[in-house]
Amino acid sequence: DAEITQSPRHKITETGRQVTLACHQTWNHNNMFWYRQDLGHGLRLIHYSYGVQDTNKGEVSDGYSVSRSNTEDLPLTLESAASSQTSVYFCASSVGPSPQYEQFFGPGTRLTVL
Amino acid sequence: RKEVEQDPGPFNVPEGATVAFNCTYSNSASQSFFWYRQDCRKEPKLLMSVYSSGNEDGRFTAQLNRASQYISLLIRDSKLSDSATYLCVVNGASGSARQLTFGSGTQLTVLP
Repeated sequence: DAEITQSPRHKITETGRQVTLACHQTWNHNNMFWYRQDLGHGLRLIHYSYGVQDTNKGEVSDGYSVSRSNTEDLPLTLESAASSQTSVYFCASSVGPSPQYEQFFGPGTRLTVL
Repeated sequence: RKEVEQDPGPFNVPEGATVAFNCTYSNSASQSFFWYRQDCRKEPKLLMSVYSSGNEDGRFTAQLNRASQYISLLIRDSKLSDSATYLCVVNGASGSARQLTFGSGTQLTVLP
C-alpha cells in the first residue's frame, strides 16, 4: 500500500548540531509539506513544495531548509538546532494543490534539542 | 486575534451524548474549510470537508456560517472511539490562499 513515512521517529540532539528529518511518500504526490506542532499553537507550516526543484517558505521557516530532488522525498534540515526547535514535526503530502485536496500526514518525528 | 481559533476544551461527555464544537476564522476571503481528527500522539487525519450548504457524514454534521466567520462540528450519539482532538482547518488565514492554517484543536473525551 502507498504510504508516507518519516524517520527517525524520535531524535535527541544538542544545540548547534545540524539535524535532518526524512520524509518519504510512495503516492507520487507532487505536493509535500512540513509542519511543526507545539502545545497551544496547533500545526504551523515550515516549508512546502509543489514539485521537484520547487520549495517555498511557510509561516515559521527561520532556521529550517528543504530540498526536493525527486517526487518521493522532502527532507527537512535544521541548520543549527536550537532549544526552541524542540517539537513534533509532521510531513504531509497531497495529490493536488492546496487547499482543495486532502493532506495525508506521516506519523511524526519527536525532536528534542538539549 | 488568532487566525483560526477554537475552544481548547477539554469536553468530557458521556457515551450517547451530542456535542458541538465551534471554530472562528479571521480571513473573510477563506474558501476551504475542514475538520481533521488527531488521536493522542498520532498524525492528523481528515474527518470531513465543510461545504457552504452544510454537510453530514453519519453521526457528524459540519456547518459553515460565512457571515459570522465560523464553522461548527456536531457529533451525535458519541462513541468512546470519538475521543480525540478535533482540528479546525481553514485556507488563506495566513495570507496565502493555497496554505492551510490549523487551529490548536478541541479535545474531546467520551466517558463510559
